[in-house]
Amino acid sequence: DAGVTQSPTHLIKTRGQHVTLRCSPISGHKSVSWYQQVLGQGPQFIFQYYEKEERGRGNFPDRFSARQFPNYSSELNVNALLLGDSALYLCASSFLRNTEAFFGQGTRLTVV
Amino acid sequence: GEDVEQSLFLSVREGDSSVINCTYTDSSSTYLYWYKQEPGAGLQLLTYIFSNMDMKQDQRLTVLLNKKDKHLSLRIADTQTGDSAIYFCAESQDDKLIFGTGTRLQVFP
Repeated sequence: DAGVTQSPTHLIKTRGQHVTLRCSPISGHKSVSWYQQVLGQGPQFIFQYYEKEERGRGNFPDRFSARQFPNYSSELNVNALLLGDSALYLCASSFLRNTEAFFGQGTRLTVV
Repeated sequence: GEDVEQSLFLSVREGDSSVINCTYTDSSSTYLYWYKQEPGAGLQLLTYIFSNMDMKQDQRLTVLLNKKDKHLSLRIADTQTGDSAIYFCAESQDDKLIFGTGTRLQVFP
């Protein structure tokens, strides 16, 4: 069985641009969460989606948005990129909302 | 607050046991997790423990939970060089995981 897959693996963007990151959960998992991991820190929660609805949101500005599709895959969108958005963005998949979460390899975003 | 605290570094000799400690904040957390992160990689779920358990053993890994002190530990028996990584503890709160800052484990021969 494939694990959580994220694309792209690496991305370089310019300040002010927009970015879309993608995540496919483990087959059968209905919940997808997004986390931001800045270098040297632990991951910080951004969003959780379950059954295509937003179920939780972390302390991130409105420039960050996400959605979940009928096949349970998800996109994270970030508008008006700032240098401080440079980080590893991790997607986590779980069967239900509050069961063990399995992470993908992440997308490393660099904003220049 | 939402701080999950861990010591930053741990250095052990190959073959010895490693013990990584964590203190968490939310006594209502249902699950407590340990994740491993190798350089440039995502998070690998190592093990987890339900909040109504005191101990869980899984091969070389032993998790101890002290709910009174909100203290969680991960013991790795017979530590190998391949165990060198950053280890994160995390507590579940509502719909999210709250992570510690990670403990960097270095294993030397």
